[in-house]
Amino acid sequence: EAGVVQSPRYKIIEKKQPVAFWCNPISGHNTLYWYRQNLGQGPELLIRYENEEAVDDSQLPKDRFSAERLKGVDSTLKIQPAELGDSAVYLCASEGQTYEQYFGPGTRLTVT
Amino acid sequence: ELKVEQNPLFLSMQEGKNYTIYCNYSTTSDRLYWYRQDPGKSLESLFVLLSNGAVKQEGRLMASLDTKARLSTLHITAAVHDLSATYFCAVDAETSGSRLTFGEGTQLTVNP
Repeated sequence: EAGVVQSPRYKIIEKKQPVAFWCNPISGHNTLYWYRQNLGQGPELLIRYENEEAVDDSQLPKDRFSAERLKGVDSTLKIQPAELGDSAVYLCASEGQTYEQYFGPGTRLTVT
Repeated sequence: ELKVEQNPLFLSMQEGKNYTIYCNYSTTSDRLYWYRQDPGKSLESLFVLLSNGAVKQEGRLMASLDTKARLSTLHITAAVHDLSATYFCAVDAETSGSRLTFGEGTQLTVNP
C-alpha cells in the first residue's frame, strides 16, 4: 500500500512570494489533515477535511493561507504571500477507519 | 484548551538501560497516540491507545494509558542506539473538536 505522498519535498522562496504544497492521501482515506511543524515542536493542525469538506479550519491563518480538496482526494495548501515566519515543515496526514493518522514525508519550506 | 505535556523533553541514556517517558494531558481524552520522528523525517505511528488501562507493546517499547489520571507512559526496555529519535504523544479529545494536540516531544539519545 502506498503511503501519503507530498510534493515538493523542499521549497525555498523569497518573502511575499506565493507557494503551494500538494498531498495525495492513502487510497480510501476520507480524512485528510494539514499540519505545520516548527523546529523543535510538535505538529499543529492547520485544517482537517472529511472528504471534500473542511470540517476544522479554525487554526488556518485565512488572510494568507488557503486549502482545497477537490473531489475529496488530493489536496493543495497555498500561502500567499509568504512571510519569514512561515518557514516550517508542512505535513499532510490521512486517516481511514482505524483512528490512525498516517503522515507524509512533509515539505520543508524556507522563506528568505 | 487542551494541553499536552511531555517529560522529560530531553533524555540521554545508555544502551541496556530502562526508562519511561511521561505524557500528561489536561482534559478527557478519546484517544492517545505515540509517534516516533527521526531527524528530517516524518512521523511514524507507534501506538494508538483507545481505552483506560490499555497497554500495547512493540519490541522494546511499551505504552500504557490511565484516563483517570490523564497520563500515558512510554516505557523503554534495554535501550539500543536505534531507538534514538524524538517521541511525541498526541491526544484526540472531543473538547478540542476532535483535533489531535501534540506534546512538545521527547528527544531521546541512546549512547553506546
